[in-house]
Amino acid sequence: AQSVAQPEDQVNVAEGNPLTVKCTYSVSGNPYLFWYVQYPNRGLQFLLKYITGDNLVKGSYGFEAEFNKSQTSFHLKKPSALVSDSALYFCAVRDSIEKLTFGTGTRLTIIP
Amino acid sequence: DVKVTQSSRYLVKRTGEKVFLECVQDMDHENMFWYRQDPGLGLRLIYFSYDVKMKEKGDIPEGYSVSREKKERFSLILESASTNQTSMYLCASSFGQANTGELFFGEGSRLTVL
Repeated sequence: AQSVAQPEDQVNVAEGNPLTVKCTYSVSGNPYLFWYVQYPNRGLQFLLKYITGDNLVKGSYGFEAEFNKSQTSFHLKKPSALVSDSALYFCAVRDSIEKLTFGTGTRLTIIP
Repeated sequence: DVKVTQSSRYLVKRTGEKVFLECVQDMDHENMFWYRQDPGLGLRLIYFSYDVKMKEKGDIPEGYSVSREKKERFSLILESASTNQTSMYLCASSFGQANTGELFFGEGSRLTVL
């Protein structure tokens, strides 16, 4: 079965600094990888996805993610963090035809 | 915009009660899903459906059942609620096989079982 791991439960970053939220994956075949964000008391919102092609994927709210096949990683990045980026972030992998398997989530806190 | 609506944002039930969680989507999506979200465990798939009257077990189906009588509606049923089913429940939908798997989520239903 496909799986993803988010090694950090919590990430703290100062406002204006670059941020990285880590994700590693384990799949058989070509991976379909996703990042979602959850703001307090809300459902998840899609940020970006990697299917094929360019290893650097751009998404919503200025976020991007880098697919690295040799390291089996798909880290989420942003050049300059905003306080409003504080949220819970989930990495996910497409497990079967349309089913996604999610990681355990990383809470990102941007410190003013 | 795609809209996935969960009928109840907050519910409090007693042990042994039957609980219905309703979810409706307005984008004619083929696929619908029920996840539960718990701190430190992320999202775990309970059940999903690829079509009307069709259902498939996810990773943690025990203690739950589902119903999909119409394409736009997917219901999660707890036949006899227990305290370990206290959780946040998230409904999601997506296009069929042609789509690359992006899910659209509802706002969630936070269930407390006393």
